[in-house]
Amino acid sequence: QQPVQSPQAVILREGEDAVINCSSSKALYSVHWYRQKHGEAPVFLMILLKGGEQKGHEKISASFNEKKQQSSLYLTASQLSYSGTYFCGTEVRLTMIKAAGNKLTFGGGTRVLVKP
Amino acid sequence: DAGVIQSPRHEVTEMGQEVTLRCKPISGHNSLFWYRQTMMRGLELLIYFNNNVPIDDSGMPEDRFSAKMPNASFSTLKIQPSEPRDSAVYFCASSFTADRRSYNEQFFGPGTRLTVL
Repeated sequence: QQPVQSPQAVILREGEDAVINCSSSKALYSVHWYRQKHGEAPVFLMILLKGGEQKGHEKISASFNEKKQQSSLYLTASQLSYSGTYFCGTEVRLTMIKAAGNKLTFGGGTRVLVKP
Repeated sequence: DAGVIQSPRHEVTEMGQEVTLRCKPISGHNSLFWYRQTMMRGLELLIYFNNNVPIDDSGMPEDRFSAKMPNASFSTLKIQPSEPRDSAVYFCASSFTADRRSYNEQFFGPGTRLTVL
């Protein structure tokens, strides 16, 4: 089952903040966030693992609530380069210990447009 | 590293023809994924391999689709016969995975835009 992302689209002025949410009906092991610009491939932003560990590369933060099976991506002081479609990819938890083994299911995406 | 390489970048074919998409993963990566992206269905996982072995092909739409990974540096996705509804962008992605846990990011190739007339 595909995770649900909200909102579907958001328009920001440069410097404004936004939050993108990702919800799953299944117990999650990890959540991945990717950004895709028009006509290009998705590019990795961040991984959030159960237990709170995060791995990311940019000035974009995120949270992962395992109990609620939700993740949120925070775009703070947005820049023009933040424009694109953001996807969450979820990895479900098969048992208390074992993950699904690499398989990600992507949400429908959130289109972000940052205007000057 | 050149990143994930896909070919062709664009393919236009007629309904009923065979289509073969190719992917070269990043050297050293041991997991390879084939995705399909359309406006209606979004980004769908078709199949993925770990150490050249198909692990999950539940996303393959039907028997017309097949994928192979004969070695660690090459994979193909074949559609035979092709239909107009197969028109989409097909992405290949690779990652390094230890102990079947996706702690690491997937690197996507540039994609193949397939149009079936």
